[in-house]
Amino acid sequence: GDSVTQMEGPVTLSEEAFLTINCTYTATGYPSLFWYVQYPGEGLQLLLKATKADDKGSNKGFEATYRKETTSFHLEKGSVQVSDSAVYFCALWGQAGTALIFGKGTTLSVSS
Amino acid sequence: NAGVTQTPKFQVLKTGQSMTLQCAQDMNHNSMYWYRQDPGMGLRLIYYSASEGTTDKGEVPNGYNVSRLNKREFSLRLESAAPSQTSVYFCASRYTSGSTDTQYFGPGTRLTVL
Repeated sequence: GDSVTQMEGPVTLSEEAFLTINCTYTATGYPSLFWYVQYPGEGLQLLLKATKADDKGSNKGFEATYRKETTSFHLEKGSVQVSDSAVYFCALWGQAGTALIFGKGTTLSVSS
Repeated sequence: NAGVTQTPKFQVLKTGQSMTLQCAQDMNHNSMYWYRQDPGMGLRLIYYSASEGTTDKGEVPNGYNVSRLNKREFSLRLESAAPSQTSVYFCASRYTSGSTDTQYFGPGTRLTVL
């Protein structure tokens, strides 16, 4: 079945460092791909998405490119801030299109 | 718009007690979902409702029941709570239009079963 694999965390960075969080997927066809962010004590918020191969989603300085060849959707940011500390989830619509399938989440901690 | 709202925010139950988690959305979305979030497990789908009057099981439905009361409301019931149901529960609704297909999440209910 469809699945999402994210790099294990936690990821600990200093402010202004470069961030990459790896995400690969297994799916039938070419589903839409998403990154959600969860700040401490809050629900999930959509960070960015891409709906087809080679699309680049971007928001708040974060970017991710839908790579069909490598079945990947890695999240990047050139210069992280303390306020980016959160849990990041990669997700896709399952084969039946009925619900999102999530990775296990990657915790990012940024220190000043 | 309030978006997706959930009540209560926190709840402590004893084993065997029952309770209902409430969820409502004011965005006129057809589809609604219940997930649970456990450490190291990501989010797992409990039940979903593709439209008013329909519900279907997700990945982990055992021990839960749901009711899609109307288009706005989708409740999750634990008939006899167990410690394994200690988790954070998220409700979500789905907006679909053309190439846009996005889920919106509520703030969550933190449930502890003793």
